[in-house]
Amino acid sequence: GEDVEQSLFLSVREGDSSVINCTYTDSSSTYLYWYKQEPGAGLQLLTYIFSNMDMKQDQRLTVLLNKKDKHLSLRIADTQTGDSAIYFCAEISISGGYNKLIFGAGTRLAVHP
Amino acid sequence: GAVVSQHPSRVICKSGTSVKIECRSLDFQATTMFWYRQFPKQSLMLMATSNEGSKATYEQGVEKDKFLINHASLTLSTLTVTSAHPEDSSFYICSASARGWQNYGYTFGSGTRLTVV
Repeated sequence: GEDVEQSLFLSVREGDSSVINCTYTDSSSTYLYWYKQEPGAGLQLLTYIFSNMDMKQDQRLTVLLNKKDKHLSLRIADTQTGDSAIYFCAEISISGGYNKLIFGAGTRLAVHP
Repeated sequence: GAVVSQHPSRVICKSGTSVKIECRSLDFQATTMFWYRQFPKQSLMLMATSNEGSKATYEQGVEKDKFLINHASLTLSTLTVTSAHPEDSSFYICSASARGWQNYGYTFGSGTRLTVV
């Protein structure tokens, strides 16, 4: 079945870059997403990448996709304390005629001074 | 644009009672809505997918009679937790999508914290 895996915890110093990694199993996924969740809140879409792209940059966020290895990463440049949150990687899976998102376990990013 | 409103944000109910959670798409027509459950410090578990005007499709292991989903219109889906018990206490999140929206992701509600006492 579909599976998305992420490391559970990352700690970085304010101002440094953060890199959050994710691996997925469904090679037919057309879109891959990164979501951010702050405590007690819903999910906020940060960015997405289409499967025929290798890289996508959006301000401080850079997404790299290695389709051969089924590896996705999110780089946050100049990490700030406001970036502290849980980051979820997600892939689209088609099942029963419906598209549905499969989430990783989430990476808790802690930013310290 | 693409705002999903979820209510209530927090609810405490007595064991044995039923609780209804609403999910509304405010500025678009949501052809598909998803209901997730999230345990503390864990990922989101998809419970069911609902399309407007048709029965919800439940994921394996999710009790249909316990978690009633209604998607009667293109802007509203409801999840009713029937005969709630303490083990149903969790964070429930809805998500909505319109046809052809895969490239824009899915918009999520702000979640409902259910506590059954």
